[in-house]
Amino acid sequence: DAGITQSPRHKVTETGTPVTLRCHQTENHRYMYWYRQDPGHGLRLIHYSYGVKDTDKGEVSDGYSVSRSKTEDFLLTLESATSSQTSVYFCAINRGDDTQYFGPGTRLTVL
Amino acid sequence: AQKITQTQPGMFVQEKEAVTLDCTYDTSDPSYGLFWYKQPSSGEMIFLIYQGSYDQQNATEGRYSLNFQKARKSANLVISASQLGDSAMYFCAMREGDDKIIFGKGTRLHILP
Repeated sequence: DAGITQSPRHKVTETGTPVTLRCHQTENHRYMYWYRQDPGHGLRLIHYSYGVKDTDKGEVSDGYSVSRSKTEDFLLTLESATSSQTSVYFCAINRGDDTQYFGPGTRLTVL
Repeated sequence: AQKITQTQPGMFVQEKEAVTLDCTYDTSDPSYGLFWYKQPSSGEMIFLIYQGSYDQQNATEGRYSLNFQKARKSANLVISASQLGDSAMYFCAMREGDDKIIFGKGTRLHILP
């Protein structure tokens, strides 16, 4: 258990609505990541953060924004959700010992 | 171009046999790391093993070992004495440079009793 929680764990929303997913860690690690997992694609990096207010894009960042105002929280926002953003979203941290640990995931359905 | 390639979408293996899951990678960065994760049907991502590009010896963690062949850019996962509980999806991943970690598409392993 790497002290990572995600909220909500499940969400159903409608197209066009904003959605924010939260990742919380208890260990003050510098690096945090957001991935999405879809069948046939494995896990794809959306955004990541290397410190408070320091973020960068991953390979599938379009339609997503992130914020990190505190070390322990990394927020992923879908400004206007689309059906193509239906997915399972995982948060992860890099513990600095070259291991990356994942949260339990959030299943998002956009109708 | 894919940076992490897992060529086996699915594998069936008899219980107690050893299993090798293939992974090849592509990077020009001399400093990188290679990971394997297990994802059971419950959905969580479980870290299994890590190999750094400068590590001289192959990484081992219990029944898991990573067969690291740097010149071939290969990082295969070997599971010894497979168990029914090893049935899961397995992902190979690579960290390069700035700590972005990229994943392959996975191999679904089925252990047969």
